Amino acid sequence: RKEVEQDPGPFNVPEGATVAFNCTYSNSASQSFFWYRQDCRKEPKLLMSVYSSGNEDGRFTAQLNRASQYISLLIRDSKLSDSATYLCVVKRSSYKLIFGSGTRLLVRP
Amino acid sequence: SQTIHQWPATLVQPVGSPLSLECTVEGTSNPNLYWYRQAAGRGLQLLFYSVGIGQISSEVPQNLSASRPQDRQFILSSKKLLLSDSGFYLCAWSAGADPADTQYFGPGTRLTVL
Repeated sequence: RKEVEQDPGPFNVPEGATVAFNCTYSNSASQSFFWYRQDCRKEPKLLMSVYSSGNEDGRFTAQLNRASQYISLLIRDSKLSDSATYLCVVKRSSYKLIFGSGTRLLVRP
Repeated sequence: SQTIHQWPATLVQPVGSPLSLECTVEGTSNPNLYWYRQAAGRGLQLLFYSVGIGQISSEVPQNLSASRPQDRQFILSSKKLLLSDSGFYLCAWSAGADPADTQYFGPGTRLTVL
């Protein structure tokens, strides 16, 4: 079993739709959580950190459920530019990030 | 602001040839540095990390090695490439040991071993 699991998708949604991605992690000692975005053939870029209380950044909302070892990302009012692969990332120690394989999002006109 | 550079951007090498990929960071001192590899259609795998000059930790045994000759320079090397070394190599940096510290990635080197 992978330490971080994500649905690979693709999620194919129309512009303006709301879409949610889920991620589960297996190591209860995980310390920090992030969502990164990766465009095709580009480097991953930090989208947002995920806090226990939940956090929002514009159209993006991230939630963490430590009891269920579950992280989510909600995107409202999807834009064409949101098309990318979204990586769920768990920090196991001070230096080690564990990446999920990513969920691909396609936003169509 | 901090900037991370990697070169070359793309590389095609024959099996058995040597490899040297370079990463440099600007705008920060004593960064933590990382090398990752992303195989086609797969997640990122941490290869090496360094918390200071000459300090290298290896995560995955393989025919690759890393060195940190200067504070903001990180080099990934191989004496003899294998076909399985093909992939997207990413260098990253972070500011410290705080678990909440995020890692920021360079533009990557796409390596094809033929």
